Amino acid sequence: DGGITQSPKYLFRKEGQNVTLSCEQNLNHDAMYWYRQDPGQGLRLIYYSQIVNDFQKGDIAEGYSVSREKKESFPLTVTSAQKNPTAFYLCASSIREGFVIDGYTFGSGTRLTVV
Amino acid sequence: QKEVEQNSGPLSVPEGAIASLNCTYSDRGSQSFFWYRQYSGKSPELIMSIYSNGDKEDGRFTAQLNKASQYVSLLIRDSQPSDSATYLCAVIIRAGGTSYGKLTFGQGTILTVHP
Repeated sequence: DGGITQSPKYLFRKEGQNVTLSCEQNLNHDAMYWYRQDPGQGLRLIYYSQIVNDFQKGDIAEGYSVSREKKESFPLTVTSAQKNPTAFYLCASSIREGFVIDGYTFGSGTRLTVV
Repeated sequence: QKEVEQNSGPLSVPEGAIASLNCTYSDRGSQSFFWYRQYSGKSPELIMSIYSNGDKEDGRFTAQLNKASQYVSLLIRDSQPSDSATYLCAVIIRAGGTSYGKLTFGQGTILTVHP
């Protein structure tokens, strides 16, 4: 079955540590996205990518980095510069940016906690 | 003004009643509108999409769109306890000067259906 796989489901980060969240899709979608969700809040866009080897900052990119070396993969690194990283992180994909008929497809999410 | 704004919650309705969820958006040129349901700790699930003015019905759900008023709503008829969740309104908001846009979410409305 096609879908988006995020791992790990739960992640704990120590102060000053970089961590990487994995996102893999087998939907053959061109565009991929990372969102952050805080308790009681909607989703805020961190980074997005329309095509391999290209990505753009979203609304809250500071303290995060991404790469898009393969169409199927869009990992997110939460760096030590992100001072408040505790949140629920969601990866999504669509056929291509802006051409959205059925909405985005979401992964199951990674819950990141600073310890 | 927020790009996508939902009516403040939480909303509590008795089982069997109609739940009404509302959303306004800022981009007059937006063409694509979505409602997602999100259960606690889970990723958002697309339940309705609407692109034209008027009503769109799917089972117990009806989405209503009024582009002139920049307003979209979701009605849930015969509400069930299993409908208790956070409902997210999402709109494709165009980047300045381009025809493509990003899926932008409202803050969500928590719905509780009590027996």
